[in-house]
Amino acid sequence: AQSVTQLDSHVSVSEGTPVLLRCNYSSSYSPSLFWYVQHPNKGLQLLLKYTSAATLVKGINGFEAEFKKSETSFHLTKPSAHMSDAAEYFCVVSDLNAGNMLTFGGGTRLMVKP
Amino acid sequence: NAGVTQTPKFQVLKTGQSMTLQCAQDMNHEYMSWYRQDPGMGLRLIHYSVGAGITDQGEVPNGYNVSRSTTEDFPLRLLSAAPSQTSVYFCASSYSIGGLNTEAFFGQGTRLTVV
Repeated sequence: AQSVTQLDSHVSVSEGTPVLLRCNYSSSYSPSLFWYVQHPNKGLQLLLKYTSAATLVKGINGFEAEFKKSETSFHLTKPSAHMSDAAEYFCVVSDLNAGNMLTFGGGTRLMVKP
Repeated sequence: NAGVTQTPKFQVLKTGQSMTLQCAQDMNHEYMSWYRQDPGMGLRLIHYSVGAGITDQGEVPNGYNVSRSTTEDFPLRLLSAAPSQTSVYFCASSYSIGGLNTEAFFGQGTRLTVV
């Protein structure tokens, strides 16, 4: 069985400072990993994905994530937060051997202070 | 491209009523799934399908029914609505290439309230 743990339910940063959203996963096989963002009352938008290519993955809006197999982690980072980054972020694992279905973490709400 | 289309966007039901949430995708994806989103719990898988005619249960299937008669459509039926089914529902589709999973494409969601 696969699972995802997002270590912080809320993260607060000041505009212009770095962002770190932490994610640990568990999967029986080589997983695909994703980060999605959800702005208030909106659907889910893909930020970035890891599918067994380069371990450092670049996404949209300046976000990056590094896949570390030894630590079973896939933390999301951004060098400088913007007010528009305030949203809920979900770390997601997918296993083709489990019908390609997604398992979501509980989400991290990012707040950005001016 | 329309992508994944869910209808309706909002719905209020009385306890015991039944209804169908519609989901359609125009990308010829083989995988489709339904999730519910509740505060602090992320999205949880209700049912999924790996192709037309094939469905399976996810993490929270009780009280829901699905069918997949075509590649494009994957409706979710609430058999007898309960207040515990008040939630936001998302439909998603995806595909795989060479054994590697691609990202899921989500609909805009259906906000359901059961009173």
